[in-house]
Amino acid sequence: NAGVTQTPKFQVLKTGQSMTLQCAQDMNHEYMSWYRQDPGMGLRLIHYSVGAGITDQGEVPNGYNVSRSTTEDFPLRLLSAAPSQTSVYFCASSRTGSEAFFGQGTRLTVV
Amino acid sequence: KNEVEQSPQNLTAQEGEFITINCSYSVGISALHWLQQHPGGGIVSLFMLSSGKKKHGRLIATINIQEKHSSLHITASHPRDSAVYICAVSRSGGGADGLTFGKGTHLIIQP
Repeated sequence: NAGVTQTPKFQVLKTGQSMTLQCAQDMNHEYMSWYRQDPGMGLRLIHYSVGAGITDQGEVPNGYNVSRSTTEDFPLRLLSAAPSQTSVYFCASSRTGSEAFFGQGTRLTVV
Repeated sequence: KNEVEQSPQNLTAQEGEFITINCSYSVGISALHWLQQHPGGGIVSLFMLSSGKKKHGRLIATINIQEKHSSLHITASHPRDSAVYICAVSRSGGGADGLTFGKGTHLIIQP
């Protein structure tokens, strides 16, 4: 099993560009979520999903869109990148009542 | 006030010392998680607990639901334990249905 796979690992964007961060898990987990990690702020929840077709907003959802068309995939879309979205992004998945498994992270820089 | 508070923020100790990291939370939870993050690395789940105590090797985690408090202990600490330790809580469901994190404890174990 690959676990939780995030791509890309590194990305540089120009302000205003759009892109999609990919997250895939092969453990048939129903729960998936996206977080951003910033110095001094810790990890904060962007969006989460409790199953295919169901998504909800977290603490910092502005500027990001998600969809969950399959159990395996949970992409995070940046619609118009801003320097404030420079961060490290983590995807996680879990079953009901189980520990979370995290991807290796995507380091995004918006210039 | 943050919903999840950790202490200390930074901790430097000598190899072999007994380490304690504390976590207090102010919301109702379904489970508490202890995570480990090495510099530049991904995030790994150490423990998920909703009551009592768990032990993995030299690591011990306890939780007091009434006091809304958890501790992570490391016995016979080693330089490879140097990492950021993060406390997180989940409100319902699984570990990835939307975690709320403390800001982490940066632990350095000196040889």
